[in-house]
Amino acid sequence: AAGVIQSPRHLIKEKRETATLKCYPIPRHDTVYWYQQGPGQDPQFLISFYEKMQSDKGSIPDRFSAQQFSDYHSELNMSSLELGDSALYFCASSLGGYSGNTIYFGEGSWLTVV
Amino acid sequence: AQSVTQLDSQVPVFEEAPVELRCNYSSSVSVYLFWYVQYPNQGLQLLLKYLSGSTLVKGINGFEAEFNKSQTSFHLRKPSVHISDTAEYFCAVTATGGGNKLTFGTGTQLKVEL
Repeated sequence: AAGVIQSPRHLIKEKRETATLKCYPIPRHDTVYWYQQGPGQDPQFLISFYEKMQSDKGSIPDRFSAQQFSDYHSELNMSSLELGDSALYFCASSLGGYSGNTIYFGEGSWLTVV
Repeated sequence: AQSVTQLDSQVPVFEEAPVELRCNYSSSVSVYLFWYVQYPNQGLQLLLKYLSGSTLVKGINGFEAEFNKSQTSFHLRKPSVHISDTAEYFCAVTATGGGNKLTFGTGTQLKVEL
């Protein structure tokens, strides 16, 4: 079965640079979520989109922005990168954004800021 | 807001022995509960979830969990573990009736030894 596809899988950037992560949800899934998992930490919710509209917002820094496009894929843009942004970034998707709907996670994009 | 506590950061166990991973939650509203597993360098995979009905939930790979509302717990159990169960296990919660934002615990590293 098709899963959530994230690209790139690994990314190395320097401080103050910009990075863009892409996410392709499972076909027919209309809801996308972004999570950040720091080294040895639990995943932290950043932001979600339902039918191309922002549906919820978590601890996403102002330097970050995201959107969901007409084909339901999503991009997370991170600017003025800091060392502390080094983390594993998960994208996830679900059919419907309602509480309890099963959320399927991608394998993540590793961002290293040097 | 919700919070999740996983008291055990690491649980070592011998192969074929039973295991219990503890999860307690705190919330002022009703919640749905989830267990996810993360194998090294991989994404999060749903093991099982509790939405309503029977408090004993069976999941994949022989895992089960029991929802206890009075003790606000959702402990994960497996009667006989295999070396391939070595992974990080995350308990998560989301409020019912709203968006699908997951709040994770800090995770429990299950290490199965021969």
